[in-house]
Amino acid sequence: QVHLVQSGAEVRKPGASVKLSCRASGFSFSVYAIHWVRQAPGQSLEWMGWISGDNGNTHYSQKFQDRVTISSDTSATMAYMEVTSLTPEDTAVYFCARDLRVASIWSNFDSWGQGSLVTVSS
Amino acid sequence: SYELTQPPAVSVSPGQTASITCSGDKLGDKFTSWYQQRTGQAPVLVMYEDKKRPSGIPERFSASTSGNTATLTISGTQAVDEADYYCQVWDSSNLYVFGTGTRVTVL
Repeated sequence: QVHLVQSGAEVRKPGASVKLSCRASGFSFSVYAIHWVRQAPGQSLEWMGWISGDNGNTHYSQKFQDRVTISSDTSATMAYMEVTSLTPEDTAVYFCARDLRVASIWSNFDSWGQGSLVTVSS
Repeated sequence: SYELTQPPAVSVSPGQTASITCSGDKLGDKFTSWYQQRTGQAPVLVMYEDKKRPSGIPERFSASTSGNTATLTISGTQAVDEADYYCQVWDSSNLYVFGTGTRVTVL
């Protein structure tokens, strides 16, 4: 059974950083890419970036490429995302999701983690 | 930047058909996916590649695309279908784009 289990809620002050984790199980990690998507309160979903489970290649939304680093540990089937220089506007639920055909017209997010709430407040 | 526009809300009576639209420039040239998100939960893929249904998704969910508009249809809507629905595409310039979202209310 496919599972993506994310780390717990975090509270940070403005200017700080946060690193979230996503543990994958029930499928071959190297065959998929892992995306990170966030959702601010009452807002739509916003794609942030992805990492290949095969070779560790990454690709970021232009909006976040200066503040976000996505990494993985294939032996532990874990993906991570670090966001730096946090502001209150980064308060959101952050999801990881897997994708079999990343960066193609056939790409989609077929399984999601439960989400990690990040609250940024002074 | 590429944008996908959805109606903010759709209301439907139990057993009736709900239709949710998603509009974007040259949307017919891309594959649209649809996600259901119940309150407080993670999104779930309900349709992909315009009209394919993942295993485990009820047959009452269907979708199509024509021109610049994709449509998700829920036939025989049930109370459990009350949720937010998002369309999504991959665009070679803007990478992954989600629609503005539609709240489906089953009255």
